[in-house]
Amino acid sequence: QQQVKQSPQSLIVQKGGISIINCAYENTAFDYFPWYQQFPGKGPALLIAIRPDVSEKKEGRFTISFNKSAKQFSLHIMDSQPGDSATYFCAASVSGGATNKLIFGTGTLLAVQP
Amino acid sequence: DGGITQSPKYLFRKEGQNVTLSCEQNLNHDAMYWYRQDPGQGLRLIYYSQIVNDFQKGDIAEGYSVSREKKESFPLTVTSAQKNPTAFYLCASSSPGQAATNEKLFFGSGTQLSVL
Repeated sequence: QQQVKQSPQSLIVQKGGISIINCAYENTAFDYFPWYQQFPGKGPALLIAIRPDVSEKKEGRFTISFNKSAKQFSLHIMDSQPGDSATYFCAASVSGGATNKLIFGTGTLLAVQP
Repeated sequence: DGGITQSPKYLFRKEGQNVTLSCEQNLNHDAMYWYRQDPGQGLRLIYYSQIVNDFQKGDIAEGYSVSREKKESFPLTVTSAQKNPTAFYLCASSSPGQAATNEKLFFGSGTQLSVL
């Protein structure tokens, strides 16, 4: 019940295309859903995050869509660029507690071809 | 620049040897974390510390040990009991209690540990 399932494992997109990565969870207590971006040899960095009180959040070319009833959320990268090539992790946690214990998905390796 | 510094970037361990990975932060964050990253398995929590002189086991603590003697430092020791230590180790910090950044983790650049 603590897992976050992420798909696909890898993704190849043409420059200018839309990249879509999906995540699903079981624990209905989760109320914070961030996405992290990781470049090779570096640590992940927070990209965008959403809480369940909204169904969509957009920051530039990056959008999170959230479906509370289906317990699913997804990351959409519009007009994908070669610089977006990285590994993307979804995550979930229960906020408000003293402990920040994010549960991470298994990651998606995105390659944007020029 | 504020951030998290991990060292060394690459580390090799001989069988039966303990090795220590360094993690230092100057973000004045209370909480610090160690994650292990394996290909296709995401990030798994090894240990975390919410305050100096206190730490808790994460999901895969066996074969690892930590200390938190200073707010800025959270070293991880990979002991000889860890039979499969080859992985990319990531240190992170956060500042629980600050609403704007409650759940944001700041990561270091990682240490790649390999077994000789």
